Amino acid sequence: KQEVTQIPAALSVPEGENLVLNCSFTDSAIYNLQWFRQDPGKGLTSLLLIQSSQREQTSGRLNASLDKSSGRSTLYIAASQPGDSATYLCAVKGSSNTGKLIFGQGTTLQVKP
Amino acid sequence: GAGVSQSPSNKVTEKGKDVELRCDPISGHTALYWYRQSLGQGLEFLIYFQGNSAPDKSGLPSDRFSAERTGGSVSTLTIQRTQQEDSAVYLCASSSTTGRLGTGELFFGEGSRLTVL
Repeated sequence: KQEVTQIPAALSVPEGENLVLNCSFTDSAIYNLQWFRQDPGKGLTSLLLIQSSQREQTSGRLNASLDKSSGRSTLYIAASQPGDSATYLCAVKGSSNTGKLIFGQGTTLQVKP
Repeated sequence: GAGVSQSPSNKVTEKGKDVELRCDPISGHTALYWYRQSLGQGLEFLIYFQGNSAPDKSGLPSDRFSAERTGGSVSTLTIQRTQQEDSAVYLCASSSTTGRLGTGELFFGEGSRLTVL
């Protein structure tokens, strides 16, 4: 059974700092991994999608990496801003393009001005 | 539509009443998902529709919960005889899993917040 873990559960950093959020999963036979952002009282916004054949994806100040063999993904946020404050969730999809995503519990990030 | 649309955005009901939550996925998306997020909790998978295949109902917590997807588009999640523990945000997502653009990326709606008194 696939399990997804995100560490730390919460993180507080000063503005401008570079930071890394961690996601680990127990079954390396994944189809893809997706990082989301959730603001309080809102739905989830897709940030980055990494297919199993890829090692990383970049969008603006965000970079996500994937190491299937070790069951790990990281989300790197460069030059953090107060507007980055939110909960970040990672989710993995099993070995085919059909099927459910299994989510981690999320990391709640606070970037202080 | 441009995004996943869910209604109602907020629903307050009395214990024992039935409720229906609606999800209108992104046009052309073949896959549709329902998740539940309780206060301070992670996302709990409920049900998944893929095209004309039989839905994956493995996440439905009890037989009070059911969902249907009519015409491969709009989906309705029905909760019968609601209980206080059903209070949560119900999130719907859709994705395209076929063709060149079928990356499987999920796009979520804003959710329906259900409060059972």
